[in-house]
Amino acid sequence: EPEVTQTPSHQVTQMGQEVILRCVPISNHLYFYWYRQILGQKVEFLVSFYNNEISEKSEIFDDQFSVERPDGSNFTLKIRSTKLEDSAMYFCASEEEFASYGYTFGSGTRLTVV
Amino acid sequence: SQQGEEDPQALSIQEGENATMNCSYKTSINNLQWYRQNSGRGLVHLILIRSNEREKHSGRLRVTLDTSKKSSSLLITASRAADTASYFCATDPTSGTYKYIFGTGTRLKVLA
Repeated sequence: EPEVTQTPSHQVTQMGQEVILRCVPISNHLYFYWYRQILGQKVEFLVSFYNNEISEKSEIFDDQFSVERPDGSNFTLKIRSTKLEDSAMYFCASEEEFASYGYTFGSGTRLTVV
Repeated sequence: SQQGEEDPQALSIQEGENATMNCSYKTSINNLQWYRQNSGRGLVHLILIRSNEREKHSGRLRVTLDTSKKSSSLLITASRAADTASYFCATDPTSGTYKYIFGTGTRLKVLA
């Protein structure tokens, strides 16, 4: 069964450093998303991406965040200058068509900012 | 309160019993979905029910949707220890947004 792949599974970074979280969505999917989940809390929307541009972003997704789909297969989330409160699980998801069968999520990247 | 709130927050049952989790939401929706999350892992899509559907089944899962009450329930019949996980509902609002909004989750523990 097709999977969404996320790397790395766990990343530890110093406060103020840049991190790039990587995702490989399912190849025929057109809609891509990043969500995050602070430990024990709800799953929060960050950004949606379609047709090589951001279609929607949340208040969390400020200027420190950016997304790219550089080569038609990878989908990356960059945090320019990490803060302690960025520590969370970051999930990538993709969907063939919007609101078709639901998301396929990756297994997440646990980001720890120290 | 927020779009997508599950109750109870936590549920502990014996293996073989049925587990029922509820989700309430605030705005009109196109569809509602349920996801499962094992501890520290990714979310797995379980079932999607559209706003014009009232009930849907998938194996041991039964989902109902009452759009007049803005609520949904997820029933897991004959639960197993492997069903231990957190369960989230997610809504697709009709407001033209391009995202699903997740609820707060129900932590289910099935005791062997």
